[in-house]
Amino acid sequence: DAGVIQSPRHEVTEMGQEVTLRCKPISGHDYLFWYRQTMMRGLELLIYFNNNVPIDDSGMPEDRFSAKMPNASFSTLKIQPSEPRDSAVYFCASSLGGNSPLHFGNGTRLTVT
Amino acid sequence: DQQVKQNSPSLSVQEGRISILNCDYTNSMFDYFLWYKKYPAEGPTFLISISSIKDKNEDGRFTVFLNKSAKHLSLHIVPSQPGDSAVYFCAARDDKIIFGKGTRLHILP
Repeated sequence: DAGVIQSPRHEVTEMGQEVTLRCKPISGHDYLFWYRQTMMRGLELLIYFNNNVPIDDSGMPEDRFSAKMPNASFSTLKIQPSEPRDSAVYFCASSLGGNSPLHFGNGTRLTVT
Repeated sequence: DQQVKQNSPSLSVQEGRISILNCDYTNSMFDYFLWYKKYPAEGPTFLISISSIKDKNEDGRFTVFLNKSAKHLSLHIVPSQPGDSAVYFCAARDDKIIFGKGTRLHILP
């Protein structure tokens, strides 16, 4: 089991550019989560999916953020246009649901200059 | 408004002693609580959990205590080891999992 795989590990981009973060969940996991970690706000839930369907996107900061899950093995988080305040570490996690714990990827560190 | 609060940003403990990490929550609908551990440049990893119907869960050196009336939980690590130095996140679930800001634990030699 390779665990949750995120790419890229690091992304540096200029303000105004589009950024796409990618995630491959653990096979068989029905739930997929996108979190953002900052010093000020800690780990914030942005959006989560169940069986590829977005269930709760109330944590998505604004319309510049969008997430998709076209199939059970792939999800993207897109920021367009990016801003310096989007700089953070973005984590993807998956789980079986119920009381099973979340399994996190190693994150993507995004820097917007 | 934070529903899960970890009021101590950092904690230093001597190796071999007990580490106690605290967490408070505001939402009485939370039915499941978890602790995660995070090393630098890695994602958080699950450590231990407790259901709201219990007040204690133990796994080796790690014990989580839940006080529902006080809306408080704590993680005890005994004895503390150098490898325990990490950031610890408290998390709680209603229909989604909410994390606290984390507490950085330093185990001193």
